[in-house]
Amino acid sequence: SQKIEQNSEALNIQEGKTATLTCNYTNYSPAYLQWYRQDPGRGPVFLLLIRENEKEKRKERLKVTFDTTLKQSLFHITASQPADSATYLCALPLSGGYNKLIFGAGTRLAVHP
Amino acid sequence: KAGVTQTPRYLIKTRGQQVTLSCSPISGHRSVSWYQQTPGQGLQFLFEYFSETQRNKGNFPGRFSGRQFSNSRSEMNVSTLELGDSALYLCASSPIGSEGNTIYFGEGSWLTVV
Repeated sequence: SQKIEQNSEALNIQEGKTATLTCNYTNYSPAYLQWYRQDPGRGPVFLLLIRENEKEKRKERLKVTFDTTLKQSLFHITASQPADSATYLCALPLSGGYNKLIFGAGTRLAVHP
Repeated sequence: KAGVTQTPRYLIKTRGQQVTLSCSPISGHRSVSWYQQTPGQGLQFLFEYFSETQRNKGNFPGRFSGRQFSNSRSEMNVSTLELGDSALYLCASSPIGSEGNTIYFGEGSWLTVV
């Protein structure tokens, strides 16, 4: 069955450094992959979508890569700030599509001043 | 533009009762999907509606049901509540029903079953 794994439960980094989060998946060849941010007690907020034919995508301080051979996506936040502290979720479309997504467990990022 | 609105935000129910949660999508959005989030299982897909038709259903028992109205507003219902149904229920909407669109989540409805 389709599985998604995200690295570690918590990632602690110093302000100004680059945070790198990993999303691995198995038994699957998704057409695209999405990243979301979720703050405590709130719904996830869409950040980026990268398609299978795209190697890299950027949005301001965010960068996502998608390696379909390794079945892995990396999510980078450059020049991280304490306000970036949140849980970051990756999501893949389940077969059948139509906004039917499977989510990873999420990586909690804490950026310290 | 108003975001996805979910009501109620918090509720407490007793085992065996039933509950109805409501979702108003972003104006113009016709696809509405529902997810359950728990600490143990994470975010799990419940079902998705487009133009009043359920197009996809996740692996949840028949106690979980939903519907969508002609104005795209949606409701989900859980009957015969169990303690394990305690969760954050999230509704998400997207503009059209094809894959690869941005979906927008509401703030969720926190359900506690006692």
